[in-house]
Amino acid sequence: QVQLVESGGGVVQPGRSLRLSCAASGFTVSRYGMHWVRQAPGKGLAWVAVISYDGTKKYYEDSVKGRFTISRDNSKNTLYLQMNSLRAEDTAVYYCAKDSMSYFDYWGQGTLVTVSS
Amino acid sequence: QSALTQPASVSGSPGQSITISCTGTSSDIGAYNYVSWYQQYPGKAPKLMIYEVSHRPSGVSNRFSGSKSGNTASLTISGLQAEDEADYYCSSYTSSVIFGGGTKLTVL
Repeated sequence: QVQLVESGGGVVQPGRSLRLSCAASGFTVSRYGMHWVRQAPGKGLAWVAVISYDGTKKYYEDSVKGRFTISRDNSKNTLYLQMNSLRAEDTAVYYCAKDSMSYFDYWGQGTLVTVSS
Repeated sequence: QSALTQPASVSGSPGQSITISCTGTSSDIGAYNYVSWYQQYPGKAPKLMIYEVSHRPSGVSNRFSGSKSGNTASLTISGLQAEDEADYYCSSYTSSVIFGGGTKLTVL
């Protein structure tokens, strides 16, 4: 069965960096685009970034452009999100989600990132 | 792009039907049939309930149905059950991905 397992969250000071990982299994990872979606405490879902199946195309939500980088290693079935210059407003649970062309058919359990001094 | 508009909360009694609306624009919901709905329990990951306006993934109860008219999509849950109490989010996936603000469903 499809499994997405995020890791790498934690407490980090403003301005610092953090890298999230999402280990995927149960499907041919190299055939699918992958997304990061976040959810601030008590708030709704917000799309962050997407990467194409082969890693050649990447798109970002405006507030993270230039600070976050999405990448993937298909040989390791793993998705990454490098987050630099973190701000308090980046505090959220970060989910990785599998792309199915026009929707997200599987989600990970999420990893919490807290940006605080 | 702005978030899609959903009511903050809806409620219904067991056995009743409820509908959650999701209003966008002619650039998102009105443009394509790429509307999906997600159910989320507190502290849990979202789960796909409806995709491409009205299609149900395998394993999702047929009590859940979706539709669209113009720039507004709707999720209807019939035969309401206690286990349906959760947050529901709509999403439009076109040139970008946007979500609604979420609707908290309370089963009375």
